[in-house]
Amino acid sequence: QKEVEQNSGPLSVPEGAIASLNCTYSDRGSQSFFWYRQYSGKSPELIMFIYSNGDKEDGRFTAQLNKASQYVSLLIRDSQPSDSATYLCAVIRGLTGGGNKLTFGTGTQLKVEL
Amino acid sequence: KAGVTQTPRYLIKTRGQQVTLSCSPISGHRSVSWYQQTPGQGLQFLFEYFSETQRNKGNFPGRFSGRQFSNSRSEMNVSTLELGDSALYLCASSLIPQGTGANVLTFGAGSRLTVL
Repeated sequence: QKEVEQNSGPLSVPEGAIASLNCTYSDRGSQSFFWYRQYSGKSPELIMFIYSNGDKEDGRFTAQLNKASQYVSLLIRDSQPSDSATYLCAVIRGLTGGGNKLTFGTGTQLKVEL
Repeated sequence: KAGVTQTPRYLIKTRGQQVTLSCSPISGHRSVSWYQQTPGQGLQFLFEYFSETQRNKGNFPGRFSGRQFSNSRSEMNVSTLELGDSALYLCASSLIPQGTGANVLTFGAGSRLTVL
């Protein structure tokens, strides 16, 4: 089982629709969860992070966390063509020898169609 | 303020050679993390340095090494290059170590390595 799993997509949604991106993680002790966006040929950039169960909203973006189900999602309302990118889910997990590290999923490619 | 700077941006090497990549973090950032990104594997954690000390290391062979200098600049080295080392190598910096509070990584543009 991968530490952080995402459907690779592509996920295609029409302009103006809600895009729903999902991520599951294996380490029940994970505490912090991040969503990064990566445009083709560019480096990842942070969209938002979430620590607590429930929803966190930032503009058109809403992150949802369910620690019991080990599930985190990102909703993008009113999707725009400029949202077309790969979305990376990242989770902070502890290491066997101590310390923590940020582990990324392989990303979901989102295509917003006109 | 300047972002994370990685050099070189592109390089081509042949099998068996070695390569050194450089990363200058955002001013004031003391944590530097390195990732390897390939189409099939996504972003794989290589190592993290904080205040010149390696805090964590990913599951990569000993051919991959790194270091951090007193000014927080970091270098990573890959020796005896293999074809499978072809990838985008990303450096990310943050104020505080990974796993500590609201640790937000800022990525550089990456160094794209091609091994022939």
